Amino acid sequence: ETGVTQSPTHLIKTRGQQVTLRCSSQSGHNTVSWYQQALGQGPQFIFQYYREEENGRGNFPPRFSGLQFPNYSSELNVNALELDDSALYLCASSLGTASYNEQFFGPGTRLTVL
Amino acid sequence: GQNIDQPTEMTATEGAIVQINCTYQTSGFNGLFWYQQHAGEAPTFLSYNVLDGLEEKGRFSSFLSRSKGYSYLLLKELQMKDSASYLCAVRGAGTASKLTFGTGTRLQVTL
Repeated sequence: ETGVTQSPTHLIKTRGQQVTLRCSSQSGHNTVSWYQQALGQGPQFIFQYYREEENGRGNFPPRFSGLQFPNYSSELNVNALELDDSALYLCASSLGTASYNEQFFGPGTRLTVL
Repeated sequence: GQNIDQPTEMTATEGAIVQINCTYQTSGFNGLFWYQQHAGEAPTFLSYNVLDGLEEKGRFSSFLSRSKGYSYLLLKELQMKDSASYLCAVRGAGTASKLTFGTGTRLQVTL
């Protein structure tokens, strides 16, 4: 069974640029959630995708957008990067959206915006 | 809205027992999770509580009181490898099974 994978591992961008982060969910998982974790903070929920549809969104501006593909892998896109977007971006997959479903986290993508 | 509080840092000795507390105020409640996160790594699942009481899993136990909005994670027989951040996360009401995390408690285990 393959776990959650994310790419790239690290990324450096400059203000105003756009970035795409990728996530492959654990085998059999149809739900992907994205989180932003700033240094010294807990992860903050960005949004969730279930069967290719957005299924809930946190308090992030529209320049954060996402996509889920038929194989349940997912992308997080961030436009017009700002310095405060520097963080660890975590993807978590689960089997469905029920409250008891455990979310399995990937290793994250560390984004640095200069 | 949702608010989750946990201590920022704790220190304990190898072999000892440590209790990490978490209090929460949420609009709706669908379970509380504890995750362990080593520096630079992804959070890993430790426990899930949705009913009041104690859940025990090896050296780790987690307790929940929904009426008090309170949980704790108990770590027994501490080992050096237990040095990590421990994240308390609550799943609120709504269709999305999103987790709201606290800022985490950084535990340092010393000799």
